[in-house]
Amino acid sequence: QITLKESGPTLVKPTQTLTLTCTFSGFSLNSDGVAVGWIRQPPGKALEWLALIYWDDDIYYSPSLTNRLTITKDTSRNQVVLTMTNMNPVDTATYYCSRGSRIGAYNTPYYFPYWGQGTLVTISS
Amino acid sequence: DIVMTQSPLSLPVTPGEPASISCRSSQSLLHSKGYNCLDWYLQKPGQPPQLLIYLGSNRASGVPDRFSGSGSGTDFTLKISRVEAEDAGVYYCMEGLQARTFGQGTKVEIK
Repeated sequence: QITLKESGPTLVKPTQTLTLTCTFSGFSLNSDGVAVGWIRQPPGKALEWLALIYWDDDIYYSPSLTNRLTITKDTSRNQVVLTMTNMNPVDTATYYCSRGSRIGAYNTPYYFPYWGQGTLVTISS
Repeated sequence: DIVMTQSPLSLPVTPGEPASISCRSSQSLLHSKGYNCLDWYLQKPGQPPQLLIYLGSNRASGVPDRFSGSGSGTDFTLKISRVEAEDAGVYYCMEGLQARTFGQGTKVEIK
């Protein structure tokens, strides 16, 4: 059974750095064709992809946030960590992590059927 | 950047009736391997999104067969053959070719 759970602070002050951890079970991020990503959703608004890390250490960042994001994986702990610098009240959102699988052989698309429940992070002084 | 546009943004439906949501992308979502990189999600209040359809027309595991996806290139459609009360929520399309951009969402309300 594949599960993912997000953890981190619920309240962060403006200009501080946010560190979120996605702890997962039921799979290994060392396995060919696996990826874990972070997605956020401001209250009442649409979803936004932030970052993605692949089994082979390839990384993707949202072009609009690339300067503020770092994603890393710790395969021994089954964790993926996202850091976001210079937090602002507009970054208030529920942050989700999701596990993706490649549809087939190398250079085929990924799809994301597994999601954590999300964690709400509020940016306020 | 790819822009995803859904319509309608609000859709009242009667149980037992069909429903349809359109999603258009500003660029073709056709992958070099021939896949259409368009997924559909349903988000119910207080829950994470759940994958309904991936790569345009493939139902995710456990998704009822009343849900179907179609389309290619830039125009895609999600259809519910007979809406049930549990289908209420916000439906999102998402392109999986570049930045994984989501549409604005379509709120489905049961009459």
